[in-house]
Amino acid sequence: GAGVSQTPSNKVTEKGKYVELRCDPISGHTALYWYRQSLGQGPEFLIYFQGTGAADDSGLPNDRFFAVRPEGSVSTLKIQRTERGDSAVYLCASSLMNGELFFGEGSRLTVL
Amino acid sequence: ILNVEQSPQSLHVQEGDSTNFTCSFPSSNFYALHWYRWETAKSPEALFVMTLNGDEKKKGRISATLNTKEGYSYLYIKGSQPEDSATYLCASPSSGSARQLTFGSGTQLTVLP
Repeated sequence: GAGVSQTPSNKVTEKGKYVELRCDPISGHTALYWYRQSLGQGPEFLIYFQGTGAADDSGLPNDRFFAVRPEGSVSTLKIQRTERGDSAVYLCASSLMNGELFFGEGSRLTVL
Repeated sequence: ILNVEQSPQSLHVQEGDSTNFTCSFPSSNFYALHWYRWETAKSPEALFVMTLNGDEKKKGRISATLNTKEGYSYLYIKGSQPEDSATYLCASPSSGSARQLTFGSGTQLTVLP
């Protein structure tokens, strides 16, 4: 499709495991964002890419979280040693430079 | 840290009723105010981006106003329909060049048939 695609849509894992969440942005969008929405809260900024580089990673909560975008298109959010508090909907969005954000449907992560 | 607040947290209205809810934000160093609609199992969808004090935008039965001097925006839905049921989020960037938005916690609207 033409929109932002995120996989998996749902992921259930055990505490301590490693998880990867993938985002395929709209073709041609140079900017890519990751947000996290916990229950009862609004989306919280994690990281922003402009091209291949992380232009702003100030929202990553700790060093268990890492994201890459090696070719300036698809991005992977990686979470090591998952904790129950990491359970949330992880949203990806993309945009043209300074343009409107287009969101994916999110990846719901549940850590047991 | 930018503080964006929304009220009410949730709202139930009957089909055909008109409704409105509020987003408040710091009036100092204002840059822009975004409204999104997020339906269950779908992507958040941009409704409006507003930048000027007194701005009013409309999209079908949904409209929004902006008061940057007092730090609030209202979202209005006229003649609510069940398909309007969603969470409505507002968000603001912390600076003119900031690429990250700070979101409110949303207003969850349920329109009862």
